[in-house]
Amino acid sequence: KAGVTQTPRYLIKTRGQQVTLSCSPISGHRSVSWYQQTPGQGLQFLFEYFSETQRNKGNFPGRFSGRQFSNSRSEMNVSTLELGDSALYLCASSLRDGANYGYTFGSGTRLTVV
Amino acid sequence: AQTVTQSQPEMSVQEAETVTLSCTYDTSENNYYLFWYKQPPSRQMILVIRQEAYKQQNATENRFSVNFQKAAKSFSLKISDSQLGDTAMYFCAFRHTLYSGGGADGLTFGKGTHLIIQP
Repeated sequence: KAGVTQTPRYLIKTRGQQVTLSCSPISGHRSVSWYQQTPGQGLQFLFEYFSETQRNKGNFPGRFSGRQFSNSRSEMNVSTLELGDSALYLCASSLRDGANYGYTFGSGTRLTVV
Repeated sequence: AQTVTQSQPEMSVQEAETVTLSCTYDTSENNYYLFWYKQPPSRQMILVIRQEAYKQQNATENRFSVNFQKAAKSFSLKISDSQLGDTAMYFCAFRHTLYSGGGADGLTFGKGTHLIIQP
């Protein structure tokens, strides 16, 4: 079956713009979580959605937001981009609870802010 | 908040050798899950092995096994008969259970160990 699909793979944006990243989970998976990966900070949890509800949020400013649709697809949005937002953004899907059922990650979206 | 520490930024071994990657973590919770993920240059995080804290028995998956020491809060990964395809970044990760009272937060990752398998 198809894996977790993230689009686009690469993105270049200008400081001050906003960006929307998309994640399509594995069919039947209802939980989607997002992570930011940078060389300096490593992998950091952004937020997790289950059945269209944000279940938890990491320690990121309000410029980072997300949502989940009824088909479990998720989007994350970053407004007023800063140079420090340049990172690999990874999405992970799970059947229900990632700890119990395991997380499957996508290949990520590489965002470069110039 | 929980923390995960991987003290080896980089390791290099010869093909077919056995290698152990270390991971320690800090938490006040009693119920949680631990994971090892592999990230090759393709960027996709791949689950290597998963351990439930309430299980005493160490998890194994083919050539991969863990040494889980709950009291010491240690969770090392052993790779036997290492292969060239094992070359990757390896991340140790921690997660509370939804029902542990620690909150339904996501995975907390260590900084990673870059493992290089030499031919």
